[in-house]
Amino acid sequence: TQLLEQSPQFLSIQEGENLTVYCNSSSVFSSLQWYRQEPGEGPVLLVTVVTGGEVKKLKRLTFQFGDARKDSSLHITAAQTGDTGLYLCAGPRRGSTLGRLYFGRGTQLTVWP
Amino acid sequence: DADVTQTPRNRITKTGKRIMLECSQTKGHDRMYWYRQDPGLGLRLIYYSFDVKDINKGEISDGYSVSRQAQAKFSLSLESAIPNQTALYFCATSTAGRGYQETQYFGPGTRLLVL
Repeated sequence: TQLLEQSPQFLSIQEGENLTVYCNSSSVFSSLQWYRQEPGEGPVLLVTVVTGGEVKKLKRLTFQFGDARKDSSLHITAAQTGDTGLYLCAGPRRGSTLGRLYFGRGTQLTVWP
Repeated sequence: DADVTQTPRNRITKTGKRIMLECSQTKGHDRMYWYRQDPGLGLRLIYYSFDVKDINKGEISDGYSVSRQAQAKFSLSLESAIPNQTALYFCATSTAGRGYQETQYFGPGTRLLVL
């Protein structure tokens, strides 16, 4: 059973469109992280959200942590071809060892010119 | 030079063979991890180590073993490889961060094919 469920699994859009990726769990997390992975490389951290209800912005990317700390979302405004990649959410479940991350299955985003 | 390196980058082996994947880091981190990635399954933790004398099983440790030879080196062994161990393997490092904001840094991955 996957602790973190991501949706959608695949997303294919045109440049300039907006999109949202969701990461949900029935468990409470101490924090949630979003990573992006490009072909042939390891995941790279984009952001960490820690407080319930927290919103963080990274240029055109907006990350939100749910009030109950069980879910998170990533919204991209005006997607660009450079946003193409695999987006992974991950986090330490509350009460578990801090360095022990649980990962979602990922959302493969393709942005077409 | 990359902070987290993995060798080899690609490996083809046969069922029953013993193989070792190696990971080295120059970040000075105390924590190291081995994950495997399969299409549609995300990253799953195999083993992790919080210092040289600490080794912990992850969610899919069966069929794997690890060795933490030094703070900077963490190797993963498949004692008798089987085809369903065909996957992309990642090493990662971290250090105890501020509260819950610990970042993991990943190597470039090793693509393993077991025939």
